[in-house]
Amino acid sequence: GQNIDQPTEMTATEGAIVQINCTYQTSGFNGLFWYQQHAGEAPTFLSYNVLDGLEEKGRFSSFLSRSKGYSYLLLKELQMKDSASYLCAVMDSNYQLIWGAGTKLIIKP
Amino acid sequence: GAVVSQHPSRVICKSGTSVKIECRSLDFQATTMFWYRQFPKKSLMLMATSNEGSKATYEQGVEKDKFLINHASLTLSTLTVTSAHPEDSSFYICSARDRQDYEQYFGPGTRLTVT
Repeated sequence: GQNIDQPTEMTATEGAIVQINCTYQTSGFNGLFWYQQHAGEAPTFLSYNVLDGLEEKGRFSSFLSRSKGYSYLLLKELQMKDSASYLCAVMDSNYQLIWGAGTKLIIKP
Repeated sequence: GAVVSQHPSRVICKSGTSVKIECRSLDFQATTMFWYRQFPKKSLMLMATSNEGSKATYEQGVEKDKFLINHASLTLSTLTVTSAHPEDSSFYICSARDRQDYEQYFGPGTRLTVT
């Protein structure tokens, strides 16, 4: 079957760095996405990785290892507004997104 | 970036009535649109995938006669929840994809409450 695993909840301090991990097992792979979702709102796109390595975009970076079925989202210089759920999703061989359950990130002052 | 709108953003209806939710791609042609449902504190659940001009493909366990999807044009898809019941209360989100692109662009979602 297809499976996406990510931690249910994480807590971090304002100004610090946090890494949210995602492991996956899917039928085919056409890229991995990270989305941010604030409560009551739709997801917003953060990053897309299809090749191994690190993609940096401002305070957010995303890493992919296809051989390990592993990705992480790295958030630096955390701000209170970063409190949200972070969803990992993999595009399978049918170009459909398989979603993880999301990681709720709580930022404390 | 690409913009997807959804209407209405919130709707309250009585049990037994039908509700239509519209999803529009405003600045691109959405060859494929997706309808998701999200329960509180849960991830997105794909309900169906629709390609313009063809019938929607429903995920296992989703009743096609209850959740009617129409994708009549490259910029509009509609989801009609027929004979709604309180258990249909949820957050419904659409997304759209251009054939030229891998990314799905999400609408802002519709909060449906059935009383």
